[in-house]
Amino acid sequence: DAGVIQSPRHEVTEMGQEVTLRCKPISGHNSLFWYRQTMMRGLELLIYFNNNVPIDDSGMPEDRFSAKMPNASFSTLKIQPSEPRDSAVYFCASSSGGRVYEQYFGPGTRLTVT
Amino acid sequence: AQSVAQPEDQVNVAEGNPLTVKCTYSVSGNPYLFWYVQYPNRGLQFLLKYITGDNLVKGSYGFEAEFNKSQTSFHLKKPSALVSDSALYFCAVRELPPGYKLSFGAGTTVTVRA
Repeated sequence: DAGVIQSPRHEVTEMGQEVTLRCKPISGHNSLFWYRQTMMRGLELLIYFNNNVPIDDSGMPEDRFSAKMPNASFSTLKIQPSEPRDSAVYFCASSSGGRVYEQYFGPGTRLTVT
Repeated sequence: AQSVAQPEDQVNVAEGNPLTVKCTYSVSGNPYLFWYVQYPNRGLQFLLKYITGDNLVKGSYGFEAEFNKSQTSFHLKKPSALVSDSALYFCAVRELPPGYKLSFGAGTTVTVRA
């Protein structure tokens, strides 16, 4: 299996622009998680889906952030408009649920907003 | 709410010496505990988990962790550290089923010197 796939790996954009991050979970996994990692705040859970349905989005910073999971093999995290404080590494992770509790992480997208 | 704490920001050991990374937890009910490792510019990698059963859990790369209910601890250990073990280590706890969220500690940077 290729593992969790994220794209792009690096994104540099100007303040005010729309940014879309993409994630393909491991085939057969039914839970998907979006995290943000910064030096100041560590690793934060933004939102997670189970069977393509958003379960908990309490970690989404504000209305500028939105996430979708149109099918079991694809999810997006969108920031519109982007701000410099959104600069971080964004990780996607997936899990198969059941008695397999661990999450498997993608390589991350490093976002820089100038 | 479930939470974990990693009391040490950094751990430095010499290659060949034992390595211990500390984690304490606070949960209501039985804990579901995890250790992850993050190498530079990479996503988090699952090392091991404690769900139930033996208090000594064995994981990847020669790591093991000891679950201690009386001390509410879940310390990560390796008998003989390698330079390649230098990385950032995270302890995590999962919310009670049917939830899926993981709460991560702040992380401990391990440096193994040759």
